[in-house]
Amino acid sequence: EVHLVESGGGLVQPGGSLRLSCAASEFTFSSYWMHWVRQAPGKGLVWVSRISSDGSMTTYADSVKGRFTVSRDNAKNTLYLQMNSLRAEDTAVYYCTRLLYNGSYYFDYWGQGTLVTVSS
Amino acid sequence: AIQMTQSPSSLSASVGDRVTITCRASQGIRNDLGWYQQKPGKAPKLLIYAASTLQSGVPSRFSGGGSGTDFTLTISSLQPEDAATYHCLQVYNFPWTFGQGTKVEIK
Repeated sequence: EVHLVESGGGLVQPGGSLRLSCAASEFTFSSYWMHWVRQAPGKGLVWVSRISSDGSMTTYADSVKGRFTVSRDNAKNTLYLQMNSLRAEDTAVYYCTRLLYNGSYYFDYWGQGTLVTVSS
Repeated sequence: AIQMTQSPSSLSASVGDRVTITCRASQGIRNDLGWYQQKPGKAPKLLIYAASTLQSGVPSRFSGGGSGTDFTLTISSLQPEDAATYHCLQVYNFPWTFGQGTKVEIK
C-alpha cells in the first residue's frame, strides 16, 4: 500500500521559515511527479506546487512563487517544501500528493497532511 | 487562472436519494476534471478522473459526466457514509484549480 507521510509543520512567526517533508514508501518514488496542495482552516483546497520525477522541473502557484521551493531526494524517497517569508495567509494543512496520468491527470494518493500555523 | 464554480455549496438529502453536484469551468477544459471526496479531518480521496472514469475501489453509485465547461458528480443512491465535502479539480492548465467544495449532509 502506498504511503505518504508529511512532517515538519508547526507554529511559526510571520516572516519565518519552515521545511515540510513527505516520506514516500511502497512505490518507486523516483518515477512519479509529486505535488503539494494546501487547505486553510475551514476553506477549500488550493494547489501549491509540483516537481518532476527527476526534480528538474518545478512549478508554483503565484501566491507562493519566490517564497516556497519544492525539491526531492529520490535516494531518500522524500519530497520537501521549503517555505520562507511566511505570512498569516499561508496557515493551512499541507498535503503531498502523487500524480498519475491515464487519459487525464489525477492525484491517486494523498498524505494525511501537516498543519502550518503562521502567527505571532 | 481558470475558475471552477461548484454548486450547490451545501445540500441535505435522505438516504437513498439521488444527488447531483455541478462544477462549471470559466473556460473549456476538455475532460480534464477530477472529483475528490473529503471527510472531516481527513485527506481528500479520489473518486473520478478524466471527468467520468471511476477510480478503482470507488462504489458504482458514484458517476461523473460532462465535458468542456460543465461537469456533474452524481450519487445515485445516497448512503450514510457519503456525508462529506466534494471537490472538483481542473487539470487542464496551471495553476490547477479546485472548486470551492460542496458539503453533503444526510437528513
